[in-house]
Amino acid sequence: KQEVTQIPAALSVPEGENLVLNCSFTDSAIYNLQWFRQDPGKGLTSLLLIQSSQREQTSGRLNASLDKSSGRSTLYIAASQPGDSATYLCAVKVGYSTLTFGKGTMLLVSP
Amino acid sequence: EPEVTQTPSHQVTQMGQEVILRCVPISNHLYFYWYRQILGQKVEFLVSFYNNEISEKSEIFDDQFSVERPDGSNFTLKIRSTKLEDSAMYFCASTARGGSGNQPQHFGDGTRLSIL
Repeated sequence: KQEVTQIPAALSVPEGENLVLNCSFTDSAIYNLQWFRQDPGKGLTSLLLIQSSQREQTSGRLNASLDKSSGRSTLYIAASQPGDSATYLCAVKVGYSTLTFGKGTMLLVSP
Repeated sequence: EPEVTQTPSHQVTQMGQEVILRCVPISNHLYFYWYRQILGQKVEFLVSFYNNEISEKSEIFDDQFSVERPDGSNFTLKIRSTKLEDSAMYFCASTARGGSGNQPQHFGDGTRLSIL
């Protein structure tokens, strides 16, 4: 059964820092990996999707990498801002349609 | 940008009652999903739906649950005889393509279901 783990569970940084969020999964047979942002009491906003054949994807200050063979992905956030404060979720697509989620990393960026 | 919309945002129901959670997926999407998130826990897959039938479901999605696409725009999750442990945030998602297609799933803001 696929398990997704995210480290750290929480992270607090001052504004302007670059940071890395980690995601690991136990079964490398995935179709893709998706990073989401979740604000308190809100839904999930898709940030980046990496196909299983890709190594990385970039969107603005965000860069996600995927090492499928080792079961790892990282989300790099450059020049963090207070507006980046949220919970970041990693999810892998297994089976035909199922997303399996990690528990998330709660990020706080202080001014 | 097109959005997945869910109603109501918060539903409070007495234990044993039936609830229907409603979703309007993005208009050109073909694959629809329900997930739930119990407070403090991971988001969990419940069911996927394509071409008017269930394509996959988890062990959580037992006979208490059912899904329906009653018309061309709505996608509903019905929970019969609700239990206290059904209290959770329920998310609807949709995607243009499923299967091995690499389209992101787009999520709604969720319905918070509270069972008393």
